[in-house]
This record gives sequence, structure tokens and C-alpha cells, in this order.
Amino acid sequence: DAGVTQSPTHLIKTRGQQVTLRCSPISGHKSVSWYQQVLGQGPQFIFQYYEKEERGRGNFPDRFSARQFPNYSSELNVNALLLGDSALYLCASSLERAGGLQETQYFGPGTRLLVL
Amino acid sequence: AQTVTQSQPEMSVQEAETVTLSCTYDTSESDYYLFWYKQPPSRQMILVIRQEAYKQQNATENRFSVNFQKAAKSFSLKISDSQLGDAAMYFCAGGTYKYIFGTGTRLKVLA
Repeated sequence: DAGVTQSPTHLIKTRGQQVTLRCSPISGHKSVSWYQQVLGQGPQFIFQYYEKEERGRGNFPDRFSARQFPNYSSELNVNALLLGDSALYLCASSLERAGGLQETQYFGPGTRLLVL
Repeated sequence: AQTVTQSQPEMSVQEAETVTLSCTYDTSESDYYLFWYKQPPSRQMILVIRQEAYKQQNATENRFSVNFQKAAKSFSLKISDSQLGDAAMYFCAGGTYKYIFGTGTRLKVLA
């Protein structure tokens, strides 16, 4: 089975621009999470979507938004880019277990965003 | 609030030897998972091992095992018979649906 896929792999933008990152989960996984990893740090949680609904949001400004489609793929949008948005953006998918506790999140290869 | 602390920025181990990476996890949740992920230079985040907090038995995956001490909030990773391919950043993480990651430990394997 294919793993989590993300596109594009690399992206260069300038300050003030907008960017859309895409993620396709593992087949059968209905939950998608987004993380931001700045160089030298651990990933930080941005969003999770389950069954097209936002389940949770991390401490990120409203410039960050996301959505999930009927096929469970997801997009992360970032508006008004800042230099500090330069990072690796990781998408992860997981199965949902009864009672709300999820199975393990499996990560995609990430999208490297550079904001100039 | 949940916190994950990795106090070892870098560790070194001789090939074929054993090394233990430390992590502490603090949460008010009663049921959660704990993980160790490996991130090589490619930056792909790879699952190493998973521990369910309600299980008393420590998880084992081939050369990798954990020591989970719930009361002490300790979750360490032991790598036995270290191999050159084990060299990477190792992240401890925990949570229910929202994972909190530590700052990572860089593991160097010496030939």
C-alpha cells in the first residue's frame, strides 16, 4: 500500500504570498493531521481533520487554514506568508478507533517551504 | 497541558553496542500513546515504536525496546546492537489525537 503522499516536495515563495500544500492519506485512513517543523526543532501540531470536520487546532494564527475533502485528502493554506513560516510541513494520517483514541499517525515526506 | 522533554541533545554509541535515549512526558490525560520517531537527514518521520499508556508491558520491536515508568513520567528508548543506519534524530512524542513532540536527540553511531 502507498504511504502518505504530499505535494509539492519543495516550494519557494515571497513574503505576503499565499501557499497551498496538499496531502493524500493512506488508503482507509480518515484522519489527517498537519504539523510544522522548523529546522532544529520538533514538529508542532497545526490542525487535525476527521471526516471533513476540524477536530483540533494548535497555537497558530488565522493565516493558517485547512480543509479535508470527501476522499479524505487535505489541503493546508497559509496566507500572507512571513519569513518565519519557512519550515517543513508534515502531513500524517491515522485510523480512528472506537472511543476517540486514534491509532498511530504515519507521516508523509513533507513539503519544504522557503519564504524569501 | 502536555509536555515532552528530551534532555539529551546528542548521544554517541559504538556500532554493535547499546544506547538508551531518555524522555519525560507529562499529561493530565488518562489514556494516550507514546511514540519514538526517527528522522534521518531526508527528514522523513519514521515510526520506531509505540507504547499504549494503559498497558503495563513495555513495547518491543526487534532491536528497539522502551522502558515506560508511568508514575515517574519516564519513557526511554533502548537500541541494542546499534547499526550505522540507526544514526538519525530521534523524537519522543505523545498524545491522543494531537501529538506533542520533544526537541529531539541526535544519535551518532561510530564505526
